[in-house]
Amino acid sequence: GAVVSQHPSWVICKSGTSVKIECRSLDFQATTMFWYRQFPKQSLMLMATSNEGSKATYEQGVEKDKFLINHASLTLSTLTVTSAHPEDSSFYICSAIGENTEAFFGQGTRLTVV
Amino acid sequence: GENVEQHPSTLSVQEGDSAVIKCTYSDSASNYFPWYKQELGKRPQLIIDIRSNVGEKKDQRIAVTLNKTAKHFSLHITETQPEDSAVYFCAAKGSNYQLIWGAGTKLIIKP
Repeated sequence: GAVVSQHPSWVICKSGTSVKIECRSLDFQATTMFWYRQFPKQSLMLMATSNEGSKATYEQGVEKDKFLINHASLTLSTLTVTSAHPEDSSFYICSAIGENTEAFFGQGTRLTVV
Repeated sequence: GENVEQHPSTLSVQEGDSAVIKCTYSDSASNYFPWYKQELGKRPQLIIDIRSNVGEKKDQRIAVTLNKTAKHFSLHITETQPEDSAVYFCAAKGSNYQLIWGAGTKLIIKP
């Protein structure tokens, strides 16, 4: 199957700093990527839909100024958590849609804000 | 918009027995229904999917059934093994290729 690479897999940062997470589709072009947040023992919560070359569409309740999403190319989308706080600590995971609508997931990023 | 409900939230079965997880969806226009398996700390992995033009699909010990009229689909795992223990998520494709996810089912295989 197609490969989606997410980096970093884990990061620890100080409160108030910003963290950037990258999501790359390695062997296919992804016009649409999705960013999810997952709390322990819970389902995937869609944060935003990222379309190449246009502004991301955020889900209700997700602060677009706090979670900056950029989708500059067909193979790369980035999520930047700005001015991170401990409550932002979570597992963030991206996915990209292939031609047959199967969703391929990145490895996920475990963010810990101290 | 689409809404997906998944049951049960936790399922415990004896090794070798079968496990069934059920999902219902609300949007009759949805036409793609994947099932993902997520092991602790890892990414979800597609295990089987079904499109609305078929009623059943099987892959070794895993099968999925779809009832479009009733708007529900189910995952069946036969001859369960310890490595089947994980969280399973169903999803339905909504607009803009967006997958609407069920809440997940934690499957526990008892030895």
